[in-house]
Amino acid sequence: DAKTTQPTSMDCAEGRAANLPCNHSTISGNEYVYWYRQIHSQGPQYIIHGLKNNETNEMASLIITEDRKSSTLILPHATLRDTAVYYCIVRVLDRGSTLGRLYFGRGTQLTVWP
Amino acid sequence: DAGVIQSPRHEVTEMGQEVTLRCKPISGHNSLFWYRQTMMRGLELLIYFNNNVPIDDSGMPEDRFSAKMPNASFSTLKIQPSEPRDSAVYFCASTQRGGFTGELFFGEGSRLTVL
Repeated sequence: DAKTTQPTSMDCAEGRAANLPCNHSTISGNEYVYWYRQIHSQGPQYIIHGLKNNETNEMASLIITEDRKSSTLILPHATLRDTAVYYCIVRVLDRGSTLGRLYFGRGTQLTVWP
Repeated sequence: DAGVIQSPRHEVTEMGQEVTLRCKPISGHNSLFWYRQTMMRGLELLIYFNNNVPIDDSGMPEDRFSAKMPNASFSTLKIQPSEPRDSAVYFCASTQRGGFTGELFFGEGSRLTVL
């Protein structure tokens, strides 16, 4: 099962930064942190991932603490279209295999209001 | 790129009937995943394939569920016989590097209602 803890819901004003926290205190050294989001009635969408360094792409920034026990996804200028459930996922490697799989928890419902 | 294509988008059936959900992964992707999403349990991994071979089916709820991937461009998830508790949205996802990069591309899902 997922090894992450996220708040159930958050809200944010349009145009402001949305900061979504995630705790993953049992993460191991070779596990990555991934973020996905799911807009209502659609399939989940990949946002960003990282190992220990901060990462940024056109969608968001990912800040990982030095001890790697928590991270924050930042949407710098939230829009109404960013309203979605955001999932923080730690990648688990299968036993005896180099292939991994993703466990989605309950995520955080982010609501961006005008 | 057409993305991951799933069919049907909606299926309503009666208890006891056979249900077949279909998925066409993105061309060139060699890993395919089936997920199920319900309000009670959230998004659950059912099974995944790498190079058409099932790697882990431990998430398949019971023997009524089966999945196949006869070639790199097609997969099916079959439920026989179906039950009302199977009602859910079933997502298919694919990725191109063995499934371990974490960058999954999801289809739009198949919403199944079993009466």
